[in-house]
Amino acid sequence: KNEVEQSPQNLTAQEGEFITINCSYSVGISALHWLQQHPGGGIVSLFMLSSGKKKHGRLIATINIQEKHSSLHITASHPRDSAVYICAVYSVADMRFGAGTRLTVKP
Amino acid sequence: DGGITQSPKYLFRKEGQNVTLSCEQNLNHDAMYWYRQDPGQGLRLIYYSQIVNDFQKGDIAEGYSVSREKKESFPLTVTSAQKNPTAFYLCASSQLAVQETQYFGPGTRLLVL
Repeated sequence: KNEVEQSPQNLTAQEGEFITINCSYSVGISALHWLQQHPGGGIVSLFMLSSGKKKHGRLIATINIQEKHSSLHITASHPRDSAVYICAVYSVADMRFGAGTRLTVKP
Repeated sequence: DGGITQSPKYLFRKEGQNVTLSCEQNLNHDAMYWYRQDPGQGLRLIYYSQIVNDFQKGDIAEGYSVSREKKESFPLTVTSAQKNPTAFYLCASSQLAVQETQYFGPGTRLLVL
C-alpha cells in the first residue's frame, strides 16, 4: 500500500463546478505540500501546511493531522485549472509523493 | 528572474551511453534534489544534496550519479547501469532541508532509443 494515497485518480468537471481532491497518508508528518503539474511537466507549489486551512484565490487546502487527511478544493473551476495535482508529505528527513490526481475542467 | 533551469528539455540516448542532465538555480538555495517521474506513479527521489560537496542517495539511486561542486549546480548523470532510464526527470531546490518548500525546474524528458 502506498504511504500517500490520492483520490480520485482522474476527475472531469464542468467549468464552474466545485472540485475536491483528497490525500490520505499513513506516516507521521511534519508538513504536507500540494503541487500543481501542468501538461508541459512543470510543477508549481500551491500550498504547504501543517495544520488547519490555507486559502489562495479560488484554492483552499485543509489538513486534519489526527485523521491523516488533507483536501484541496477549487471553487468556480476553470479550464485553466486542468492539471495534475500532487500531494507530498514531509517527515523528518524524508518525503513521499502521491501519484497525483488528473483534473480536466471542460468549458 | 530567480528560478531553476533544466536542460535539455528533451534528451535522446542510445542504449549503453551515459548522459548528463543539467540543473541550475539562482535562488541561493542550499538544498537540491533530483526526482524521477513515471506515468501513473508519484515522484521518486533519486539523490539530494543539502550542501556543496555533499549528497545523499534517495530511494532509487542505482544507475545514477550526481555531483555538487557549486551551490547553484546539481547535474545528474544517467549511467548505462540504469536499466530503465526512459522517464521524466525533475530537479528541485529548497532554502534549507527537506521540510522547506521546494521549487521545481521545468523537467527533462529522457528517451532511450
